Amino acid sequence: QSVLTQPPSASGTPGQRVTISCSGSSPNIGRNPVNWYQQLPGTAPKLLIFSNNQRPSGVPDRFSGSKSGTSASLAISGLQSEDEADYYCASWDDSLNGVVFGGGTKVTVL
Amino acid sequence: QLQLQESGPGLVKPSETLSLTCTVSGGSISSDSYYWGWIRQPPGKGLEWFGGIYYSGSTYYNPSLSTRVTLSIDTSKNQFSLNVRSVTAADTAVYYCASLSSYGHSVDYWGQGSLVIVSS
Repeated sequence: QSVLTQPPSASGTPGQRVTISCSGSSPNIGRNPVNWYQQLPGTAPKLLIFSNNQRPSGVPDRFSGSKSGTSASLAISGLQSEDEADYYCASWDDSLNGVVFGGGTKVTVL
Repeated sequence: QLQLQESGPGLVKPSETLSLTCTVSGGSISSDSYYWGWIRQPPGKGLEWFGGIYYSGSTYYNPSLSTRVTLSIDTSKNQFSLNVRSVTAADTAVYYCASLSSYGHSVDYWGQGSLVIVSS
């Protein structure tokens, strides 16, 4: 059972907008920034969004993040076939004194 | 651009100790901006954070694993290591070493991952 809660799956057709939610609580998302990772099949995860809504260099602006209270969201605009991957949210948890992850959301491009 | 590479046995017997080392290149492990951690992923499952270690030796551990886990760091070799004691089949996973931002705890760099199978 993951500390952060994500839907197990999401899908959309090319060009659509897909949103993934990440629900936490006060010690984690409520007090700390949220980071998002993309894991393509058979590869290591890659940092996609840090500090709630910041994109590392090289990440397309189709990817955006937001946070409100104890929840966060990742949006993919203009969905492309290469976006088919697993997406994980993560945050620091002040009670556990460690990094906690969501269970992951598999995005399928129909 | 940091690069991280895991090394260690791919097969460990139950009840024994799993040991992995991560070699950091492209930058110094003695950085205030980063700390060094391990994350694992059982086959077909999600990510689990083990813990992290600063170059000073200060550590964070996942409370659910801390009784079996030890992290260490060797700044002279630009390496850090993971030991997991008394392993069972449930410890079978891909183990990633990583560098984490000291500020937002984002995993900025990942190793390619090392599959460790626990089996007799």
